[in-house]
Amino acid sequence: DGGITQSPKYLFRKEGQNVTLSCEQNLNHDAMYWYRQDPGQGLRLIYYSQIVNDFQKGDIAEGYSVSREKKESFPLTVTSAQKNPTAFYLCASSAQQGNEQYFGPGTRLTVT
Amino acid sequence: KQEVTQIPAALSVPEGENLVLNCSFTDSAIYNLQWFRQDPGKGLTSLLLIQSSQREQTSGRLNASLDKSSGRSTLYIAASQPGDSATYLCAVNFMKTAGNKLTFGGGTRVLVKP
Repeated sequence: DGGITQSPKYLFRKEGQNVTLSCEQNLNHDAMYWYRQDPGQGLRLIYYSQIVNDFQKGDIAEGYSVSREKKESFPLTVTSAQKNPTAFYLCASSAQQGNEQYFGPGTRLTVT
Repeated sequence: KQEVTQIPAALSVPEGENLVLNCSFTDSAIYNLQWFRQDPGKGLTSLLLIQSSQREQTSGRLNASLDKSSGRSTLYIAASQPGDSATYLCAVNFMKTAGNKLTFGGGTRVLVKP
């Protein structure tokens, strides 16, 4: 069953703690993306990676970090420097530039 | 600046009526445009992808058109059903943005009443 998995579905953390969100794909896609979704603001790009061991900042990268050590995995760390981390985080992948993007089920992060 | 707008933000129709969802974008230099469906608390499901060279794409009851010169795309859903109730998002891959990045509209929340 091919697709994108994100875990966990819900995540709760205390302010000041770093937290890592998992994203795995078995579609053999080269490119992977992290988006953040807030009510009334649509989706915004955090980081993206077009190839293993390479990644680029998106529009709202401050307070986040990523790694791309394997083609199928693109974990996102939300650091304590991120001022408003509570949001719905979505991971996506695509085969190449200009191709369709496929999304995972999302992780809802709540920081109190 | 590349922007995507979806109006209206919400739409309610009786079952059986055709749905017409609008998407406008500010720059005609695009690679493609993608329509998604999102159910509450869920991820995005890709509905249709229209490449820059195409005028429309069809899948079952769904038809999406693209007019680059006017910066518009329209998603038509024929004979709506209560199961079509969801938020529909339009996303554009602009040429001037790097990395196959999608720029999203705010979405149109659709309610189909039985």
